[in-house]
Amino acid sequence: DAGVTQSPTHLIKTRGQQVTLRCSPISGHKSVSWYQQVLGQGPQFIFQYYEKEERGRGNFPDRFSARQFPNYSSELNVNALLLGDSALYLCASSLPGQGLGGYTFGSGTRLTVV
Amino acid sequence: GQQLNQSPQSMFIQEGEDVSMNCTSSSIFNTWLWYKQDPGEGPVLLIALYKAGELTSNGRLTAQFGITRKDSFLNISASIPSDVGIYFCAEGGSQGNLIFGKGTKLSVKP
Repeated sequence: DAGVTQSPTHLIKTRGQQVTLRCSPISGHKSVSWYQQVLGQGPQFIFQYYEKEERGRGNFPDRFSARQFPNYSSELNVNALLLGDSALYLCASSLPGQGLGGYTFGSGTRLTVV
Repeated sequence: GQQLNQSPQSMFIQEGEDVSMNCTSSSIFNTWLWYKQDPGEGPVLLIALYKAGELTSNGRLTAQFGITRKDSFLNISASIPSDVGIYFCAEGGSQGNLIFGKGTKLSVKP
C-alpha cells in the first residue's frame, strides 16, 4: 500500500506569489493534517481536516487555507508568500479513533520563497 | 502555551555507545510520543506512551513516561550508524494535534 504522498516534492516561489500543495492520504484514512517545519525546529500544526470539514487550526495567519476533497485528499494554499514561509510542509493522515499514535507522515514538500 | 523542552539539542555518538535524551513539559499530558526524522523524510513514530510510569521498548529503543506526567526519556542502546537523525518528542494538543519539541540531533563522531 502506498503511504502518504505529497506533491510537489520541491518548489521555489517568489515573494507575493501563491502556492498550492497537495496530499493524498493512506487508503482508508479520512483525517488529514498539515504541519510546517522550519529548518532546525519541530513541525508546527497548521490544520486538521476530517470528513471534508476543518476540525482544528493552529496559530497561522489567514493567508494559509486548506480543503479536503470527497476522496479525502487535501490541498494547502498559501497566499502572498513571505520569505518566512520557506519550510518543509508535512501532511499526515490517520484513521478515526487511532489516537495520537496513529498519524503517518508524508515526506513533505520543501518550499523555498525567494 | 504548551512548551516542550528537549535535551540535549545535539549529540555525537560512536558506534556501540548507549544514548539518552529527554523531554520536559510545563503541563501535564496523557500521551508522549517519540519520532525519528531522517533527512528529506517526514517523522516516523518510534514509541507511543499512554500511561504515567509506562516503560516501553522497541528493539534497542526504550522510552518511559514520567510519573509526574511532565517528562519522558528515550534511550538507544548499542547505537549503530543508521541511528543518526533527528529525534522528536511530541504530545497531544487541545485540537487532537501533535505538539513537537525542537528535536535532538544525533550525529556520528568524526
